[in-house]
Amino acid sequence: NAGVTQTPKFQVLKTGQSMTLQCAQDMNHEYMSWYRQDPGMGLRLIHYSVGAGITDQGEVPNGYNVSRSTTEDFPLRLLSAAPSQTSVYFCASRGTGTNSPLHFGNGTRLTVT
Amino acid sequence: AQSVTQLGSHVSVSEGALVLLRCNYSSSVPPYLFWYVQYPNQGLQLLLKYTTGATLVKGINGFEAEFKKSETSFHLTKPSAHMSDAAEYFCAVSDGPGNQFYFGTGTSLTVIP
Repeated sequence: NAGVTQTPKFQVLKTGQSMTLQCAQDMNHEYMSWYRQDPGMGLRLIHYSVGAGITDQGEVPNGYNVSRSTTEDFPLRLLSAAPSQTSVYFCASRGTGTNSPLHFGNGTRLTVT
Repeated sequence: AQSVTQLGSHVSVSEGALVLLRCNYSSSVPPYLFWYVQYPNQGLQLLLKYTTGATLVKGINGFEAEFKKSETSFHLTKPSAHMSDAAEYFCAVSDGPGNQFYFGTGTSLTVIP
């Protein structure tokens, strides 16, 4: 059981380039989300989805797009990378139980030069 | 919106000493509270989660957390620190099933041999 899988693990972009961070889960979770982690700031929610075809913005959505065409996949797109988007990105999913925890991927470390 | 506050961004303890990491949450009924651990260059792993009606919640690796409604606290403890406990610890609260998680800014635990 793979859980939440993120690719790539590392990425370096130049300012203005675009890319997609991939996230897939095999637990049949309806809820999926993207966070960025920056020193001293904890985890901040970028976008989330409560099911296929449904997405919504989190705390820091600017500069990022998402879509949810299947239950399994929730890619995060950077439209035009900026140095401020240098961060570690985590994808997470959760089940529908009352007290269901978030299950995290191992992260993507992105550097924008 | 929910929120959690972690007091102390860095905590150092000697090996074998008591570990106490503090977390206070914004009042809500019912609170869905969690503690996560993050080892270097890894994703977040669930340590434990609050169960409604419990005052003491046991987690993995010998950690436990005490829920005190009167103090809106959910502090994490371990009686005897081990070198392998050195990591970043995050407290989190959820609105409920299918809703967002809100994370504290994290506490970095150093264990001194």
